[in-house]
Amino acid sequence: AQSVAQPEDQVNVAEGNPLTVKCTYSVSGNPYLFWYVQYPNRGLQFLLKYITGDNLVKGSYGFEAEFNKSQTSFHLKKPSALVSDSALYFCAVRDDGGGFKTIFGAGTRLFVKA
Amino acid sequence: KAGVTQTPRYLIKTRGQQVTLSCSPISGHRSVSWYQQTPGQGLQFLFEYFSETQRNKGNFPGRFSGRQFSNSRSEMNVSTLELGDSALYLCASSLTGTSSYNEQFFGPGTRLTVL
Repeated sequence: AQSVAQPEDQVNVAEGNPLTVKCTYSVSGNPYLFWYVQYPNRGLQFLLKYITGDNLVKGSYGFEAEFNKSQTSFHLKKPSALVSDSALYFCAVRDDGGGFKTIFGAGTRLFVKA
Repeated sequence: KAGVTQTPRYLIKTRGQQVTLSCSPISGHRSVSWYQQTPGQGLQFLFEYFSETQRNKGNFPGRFSGRQFSNSRSEMNVSTLELGDSALYLCASSLTGTSSYNEQFFGPGTRLTVL
């Protein structure tokens, strides 16, 4: 069965500092991994995804994520946080076996302080 | 291109009633998924439709049902509403056909309140 864990309910960083939002996953086959962001009073927006190939994936708004197969992790990162990055971040997984069920993590709220 | 639209945006119902929510996907997208979002449970997968067929279903009771029309528009229905059904219901569309690596595009959601 697929599962996703986001171990931190909340992450606090100062503006200009690097940020990391953690995600670990479990799937029976090979994973397709996604990050989405939800800003207040707005819908979820796609940030980036890992399908195969390079373990470092670059996405929107300067975000990137590193896929680590041995640790079954897909952590979201940004070198320099902005106050406007404050939002709710979701990690999600699908398997490559044709399963069309996306499992989302519980979400991590990011606060970036000026 | 217009985004995913959901109607209505807000609904207030009483226990025991039923409700129908509507979703219009992005033009050309044939896959539509539904999710329930609550503060305590996060985003829970309800079901996914492609070409009018339900391909996968989450762990929700039979009171939750859905369908997809030939123009890819989708509806979900909740019968015999319970207080615990109060949530934000999100619809997402994608280009996903036989592969499952396409990202999803979400609508703004329908906020359902059950009194």
